[in-house]
Amino acid sequence: QVQVVESGGGVVQPGRSLRLSCAASEFTFSNYGMHWVRQAPGKGLEWVAVIWYDGSKKYYTDSVKGRFTISRDNSKNTLYLQMNSLRVEDTAVYYCARGQLALIWYFHLWGRGTLVTVSS
Amino acid sequence: NFMLTQPHSVSESPGKTVTISCTRSSGNIASNYVQWYQRRPGSAPTAVIYENNQRPSGVPDRFSGSIDSSSNSASLTISGLKTEDEADYYCQSYDSNHVVFGGGTKLTVL
Repeated sequence: QVQVVESGGGVVQPGRSLRLSCAASEFTFSNYGMHWVRQAPGKGLEWVAVIWYDGSKKYYTDSVKGRFTISRDNSKNTLYLQMNSLRVEDTAVYYCARGQLALIWYFHLWGRGTLVTVSS
Repeated sequence: NFMLTQPHSVSESPGKTVTISCTRSSGNIASNYVQWYQRRPGSAPTAVIYENNQRPSGVPDRFSGSIDSSSNSASLTISGLKTEDEADYYCQSYDSNHVVFGGGTKLTVL
């Protein structure tokens, strides 16, 4: 069925790196803008980054700019989030979300999330 | 960037109607569409309203959305409350290629 599935979460020490993946299935991945959204324990949803359908544009929330990189491989139907210089405050469940064709800022489809824990 | 402010929690009885507000701190609420998401514990968020007042397929018409330029706010109204509506609800909008979520409202149906 139409879905996105995140992977790559885990426990990592502060200052280290981690790469998340999001595998898309049963839809034309290359047509859609994609986002990463996170939720820290006991906190609300926080948007992290967006990438245009063709990878031509990328935007980030201020707190991850310069540390995180969003990318995609349309030949593999996969979205990525490279997270460097991780901080304790990056601990969260990270969700992959698909924008809608007509409105990229509407999160039309969500994955179940992958947990990233940054701790020494 | 602007902020979206929601009440921390609301509660109401089954069968009643509840309205959750979402106030934009700066800029015009009507300038960018507002979406609403429901998040039940242990589940991924799902949209219940998009483009201010549109319902995704499968969302019952008990859910409705609106915006009010005079108060610069959006509202999510749920009528005929059911226990299954108990969840966290988040409003969301965007501007200048950035997304903003409200802090979330915990709806208790008791």
